[in-house]
Amino acid sequence: LAKTTQPISMDSYEGQEVNITCSHNNIATNDYITWYQQFPSQGPRFIIQGYKTKVTNEVASLFIPADRKSSTLSLPRVSLSDTAVYYCLVGDPTGANNLFFGTGTRLTVIP
Amino acid sequence: NAGVTQTPKFQVLKTGQSMTLQCAQDMNHNSMYWYRQDPGMGLRLIYYSASEGTTDKGEVPNGYNVSRLNKREFSLRLESAAPSQTSVYFCASSEGLSNEKLFFGSGTQLSVL
Repeated sequence: LAKTTQPISMDSYEGQEVNITCSHNNIATNDYITWYQQFPSQGPRFIIQGYKTKVTNEVASLFIPADRKSSTLSLPRVSLSDTAVYYCLVGDPTGANNLFFGTGTRLTVIP
Repeated sequence: NAGVTQTPKFQVLKTGQSMTLQCAQDMNHNSMYWYRQDPGMGLRLIYYSASEGTTDKGEVPNGYNVSRLNKREFSLRLESAAPSQTSVYFCASSEGLSNEKLFFGSGTQLSVL
């Protein structure tokens, strides 16, 4: 089971780009990387998932270097409503290993 | 389309009491999960059900039982509640176990006194 390490918290001003990095040094060949967002008093919400290189959707981008030992979630031009906890998960597609959340990164967007 | 529905939203129990948390999904998903989240911490997997008729333990199964009643419903039972089980409980579902994205309910806040 690949363990992930993320910063505990980050602050950013509105309108800036935010990059949250997740370290997963023992990621396995079959593991995917998935990010979730959680607002207070709500369940987490899926943001993005990738295996290698770069993935982009309407919400965020995910950058994964060639060695896949880390990944970076990029949120363009954050707003106050992006204040949340962001979780990085790593796991293989054939079992339940992709279901383990860490403590996440608490992002606070400042006006 | 309600997604994942959990009941109740809030519950207070006395030590030793029992209760069942209910979860239902209307997305025709095969897999369902129960997590707990303690203050300032991430989510920890209690039990999951990869498909109707199967259940498996997660990280923290002790003190809990689950029932996959049918494809839609997955319940979590506390037979004898303890203060250490005070937490927020989230139910989730996914189309399949294989690296599918999870859809979460809004949670049940449980206090055991």
